[in-house]
Amino acid sequence: GDSVTQMEGPVTLSEEAFLTINCTYTATGYPSLFWYVQYPGEGLQLLLKATKADDKGSNKGFEATYRKETTSFHLEKGSVQVSDSAVYFCALSDQRGSYIPTFGRGTSLIVHP
Amino acid sequence: DAGVIQSPRHEVTEMGQEVTLRCKPISGHDYLFWYRQTMMRGLELLIYFNNNVPIDDSGMPEDRFSAKMPNASFSTLKIQPSEPRDSAVYFCASSPGSGAGELFFGEGSRLTVL
Repeated sequence: GDSVTQMEGPVTLSEEAFLTINCTYTATGYPSLFWYVQYPGEGLQLLLKATKADDKGSNKGFEATYRKETTSFHLEKGSVQVSDSAVYFCALSDQRGSYIPTFGRGTSLIVHP
Repeated sequence: DAGVIQSPRHEVTEMGQEVTLRCKPISGHDYLFWYRQTMMRGLELLIYFNNNVPIDDSGMPEDRFSAKMPNASFSTLKIQPSEPRDSAVYFCASSPGSGAGELFFGEGSRLTVL
């Protein structure tokens, strides 16, 4: 079945550092890929998405590129802020399968001033 | 739109009591999901509905859990009787379907069972 694997956290960075959170997936169909963010005390919200190979999703300075050859969708940001501290979830949705999203375990990001 | 609305935001109850969590999805969304989030198990899908019909409840942990969706604008998740191990944050999410795959989450209901 479909699965998503994320790097374990927490990831601890200083403000303005470069961020990478790794995500790889397994899917038999043609998935769309997503990154969700969960701020403390809130629900998950969509950060960015990509629907086909080589697409790049971007939002709020974050970006991720759909790499079919490496089955990856790594999240990057060039300069993190304290306000980026949150839990980040990678997810996929197989558009030709059950459609129901499959989530990774989440990666906690802590940014220090 | 107001987004997905859940109530209560916080619930503290004693073991053995009945707990009812409520959800109002975004108008026009065909899918509704109930998730549970804990530190140990992460985000777990409990059940989801399509057009008010339960499609997959294989994630419901046991018979103490039940979910209903009597109409397109309301769903409940009930735990009876509650146990301390049910303590978690329960999220409701809705989606327009059509293969988009994007979910819209509520802010969650934090349940503590003493």
